Amino acid sequence: QSVLTQPPSASGTPGQRVTISCSGGSSNIGSNTVSWYQQLPGTAPKLLIFSNNQRPSGVPDRVSGSRSGTSASLAISGLQSEDEAEYYCAAWDDSLNGVVFGGGTKLTAL
Amino acid sequence: QVQLQESGPGLVKPSGTLSLTCAVSGASISSSYWWSWVRQPPGKGLEWIGEIFHSGGTNYNPSLKSRVTISVDKSKNQFSLMLSSVTAADTAVYYCATRLQQLTYFDLWGLGTLVTVSS
Repeated sequence: QSVLTQPPSASGTPGQRVTISCSGGSSNIGSNTVSWYQQLPGTAPKLLIFSNNQRPSGVPDRVSGSRSGTSASLAISGLQSEDEAEYYCAAWDDSLNGVVFGGGTKLTAL
Repeated sequence: QVQLQESGPGLVKPSGTLSLTCAVSGASISSSYWWSWVRQPPGKGLEWIGEIFHSGGTNYNPSLKSRVTISVDKSKNQFSLMLSSVTAADTAVYYCATRLQQLTYFDLWGLGTLVTVSS
């Protein structure tokens, strides 16, 4: 049981905009920034979004993140087949004094 | 360019101790990073195990704290993970990762190494 809650799956047609939600609590998302990771099959996670809405160099601007209260969301517009992957949200948890992850959302391009 | 590379036995017997090392290249282990371990059981999500700063300060996942030790070897520019009393539930891909001291996200990950607990 993950501390952060994500839907297990999400899908969209190519070109569509999809969003993935991440729900937490006051000790994690409510008081610390959120990051998102993309994990392609058989590979290590890759940082996709940090500090709620910042993109590392190389991440396209069709990827965006936001945070409101104790929830966060990841949005991917202009969905492409190469976006098919598992996506994880994460945040520091002040109560656990460590990083907590969501359970992951598998994104499928139909 | 900073790189992380995990190494260690791929098979550990139940009740034994899992030991992994993460070699750091392109940066000093004494720089302002937290050096971390994250694991992923087959077909499941990510779980943060713990981390260490070069000064020796550590943070551990409370659910694993009684069995985990993370240490730094400055002479070899690497850090290590030891997980004791392992069971099949500890079978996972183990990643080393790093985050800057004041930040809470992992900007660099190793490729990961699969450790299977089985007799």
